[in-house]
Amino acid sequence: DSGVTQTPKHLITATGQRVTLRCSPRSGDLSVYWYQQSLDQGLQFLIQYYNGEERAKGNILERFSAQQFPDLHSELNLSSLELGDSALYFCASSVDGFYEQYFGPGTRLTVT
Amino acid sequence: SQKIEQNSEALNIQEGKTATLTCNYTNYSPAYLQWYRQDPGRGPVFLLLIRENEKEKRKERLKVTFDTTLKQSLFHITASQPADSATYLCALDILQNSNYQLIWGAGTKLIIKP
Repeated sequence: DSGVTQTPKHLITATGQRVTLRCSPRSGDLSVYWYQQSLDQGLQFLIQYYNGEERAKGNILERFSAQQFPDLHSELNLSSLELGDSALYFCASSVDGFYEQYFGPGTRLTVT
Repeated sequence: SQKIEQNSEALNIQEGKTATLTCNYTNYSPAYLQWYRQDPGRGPVFLLLIRENEKEKRKERLKVTFDTTLKQSLFHITASQPADSATYLCALDILQNSNYQLIWGAGTKLIIKP
């Protein structure tokens, strides 16, 4: 158990809809990262937050947004969903920096 | 563009032997490189980090080398066990669009046969 929690575990929704994925980092970790993993793309870095502020941005679509709250939990919002957004979404946390990240169990999103 | 290459084919190793996985990269000079293990349907698990000024790092049966001239890292598992079967990912930090981010290899699937 990494100490990182993610909800929900599975999500099935229709194209055009909007969903919110939730992540709670390990106790003491200030950085939260979001990743997308699909079979043909591998693990893609989306965005990083550090202590409530956006710190780094990867290949995140404009339809996606995230935030980190004062209690350090984070949410990833995915809107106008398309079939291609079906993937595993992982949250990870670390004390700081990109190294030694601890990953949550992931949310499997299926868009039909 | 930045690119990380890992053995795309699955690696089959006999139990007890040493498994060696390769991570090659181009067009960048990362400050450090990391290795993670991922089991099917689960999140990656951090294994080892090696910095650009380190040639080798060990942790129990694991050893990582980092050759910044060759732009290559090798990941070794000695005395391999069936429980070591998993996909192994390498990741390195890059500076892109004025900020740092982590890019990941596609992973190598390792199968240890009893």
